[in-house]
Amino acid sequence: LAKTTQPISMDSYEGQEVNITCSHNNIATNDYITWYQQFPSQGPRFIIQGYKTKVTNEVASLFIPADRKSSTLSLPRVSLSDTAVYYCLRNAGNNRKLIWGLGTSLAVNP
Amino acid sequence: EPEVTQTPSHQVTQMGQEVILRCVPISNHLYFYWYRQILGQKVEFLVSFYNNEISEKSEIFDDQFSVERPDGSNFTLKIRSTKLEDSAMYFCASSEGYTGGSDEQYFGPGTRLTVT
Repeated sequence: LAKTTQPISMDSYEGQEVNITCSHNNIATNDYITWYQQFPSQGPRFIIQGYKTKVTNEVASLFIPADRKSSTLSLPRVSLSDTAVYYCLRNAGNNRKLIWGLGTSLAVNP
Repeated sequence: EPEVTQTPSHQVTQMGQEVILRCVPISNHLYFYWYRQILGQKVEFLVSFYNNEISEKSEIFDDQFSVERPDGSNFTLKIRSTKLEDSAMYFCASSEGYTGGSDEQYFGPGTRLTVT
């Protein structure tokens, strides 16, 4: 079973900010939250990772509240090329077996 | 930017045949992985490999499967006698082996295996 829960799909428009929330109620103390992006017929690509509070890189921001039971991936000003499936995963630092859910299929419309 | 490469991009084989899928991980990475994704389904972990041996494998990774690091650069997945249900995208990944947090895995473009 996937250890996270996220919406199956989302729709957005070019230029909008998209926030995808992931629920991980049973997160363990050692777990990190990692988000991957996957385009059709391609391998997943790492987007961002965090443990708590806020992390930002050139692609996205990740918000993790103090209780760490959820997290939100924020994509600023999406474009058509951001149409993809976004996966939220949680795993401990020493656990390299990534468990995947179905992800969130994001469609960005013109 | 360094990347994981995989060959071939598409492999068609007949049921019962052996196939070898090849991967070149990123050169300074220590951990190597195989995942698969059946069309329209989740990505599934198959196996992880470290220090020339399997470190973890899933229940999918039965006796039909094997992995090998035949030289300093390649990492292979062999399926001894393919079945129709082995048709999937097979992704190779590698990671540095970082132990201070979660070890980011870099994925290759995948090999689409079609068993007829």
